[in-house]
Amino acid sequence: AQSVTQLDSQVPVFEEAPVELRCNYSSSVSVYLFWYVQYPNQGLQLLLKYLSGSTLVKGINGFEAEFNKSQTSFHLRKPSVHISDTAEYFCAVSDRGAYQGGKLIFGQGTELSVKP
Amino acid sequence: KAGVTQTPRYLIKTRGQQVTLSCSPISGHRSVSWYQQTPGQGLQFLFEYFSETQRNKGNFPGRFSGRQFSNSRSEMNVSTLELGDSALYLCASSYSGGGNQPQHFGDGTRLSIL
Repeated sequence: AQSVTQLDSQVPVFEEAPVELRCNYSSSVSVYLFWYVQYPNQGLQLLLKYLSGSTLVKGINGFEAEFNKSQTSFHLRKPSVHISDTAEYFCAVSDRGAYQGGKLIFGQGTELSVKP
Repeated sequence: KAGVTQTPRYLIKTRGQQVTLSCSPISGHRSVSWYQQTPGQGLQFLFEYFSETQRNKGNFPGRFSGRQFSNSRSEMNVSTLELGDSALYLCASSYSGGGNQPQHFGDGTRLSIL
């Protein structure tokens, strides 16, 4: 069975500082990896995805993530955060099989709080 | 292109009642997935529909059901509501439900059970 662990439930950081949100996954098969962001009272918005190819993936709003197969990790980074980045961030995986029935497995989420 | 639309945004029900939530996917998307989000359990997959057929199902009791119409719109029904069903219910759509296809989420329906 697949599982996703987000190692930090809350990450406080000052504006313009760098941030890393950690994500590890466990799966007996190869996976696709995603990061989503959720702002208050909204649904989830895709930040970036890793499907194949380069292990460094760039997404929207200046975020990037690096896929590390040996460590089964997919950490999210941003070199300089803004107040507007305050939100909850979710790491998710889906199987690489031919058909996966629209199912994402999510981590528990990391609340990023950016302080002035 | 319009995004995923969920109605209503908020619902208040009492125990024992039933409820129906609606989801209109992005135009051209034929796969619709439903998720339950709670503070304790996080985001959990309920089920997925494609071409009016349920193709995948999570570990939820039979009180949770759904259907999909020929225009890909989907509804989710919860019968005999329990206090623990209070949650944000999210709908997501993708072209065909493949694992490499990002899912596009609606803003959810917040269900409160009194």
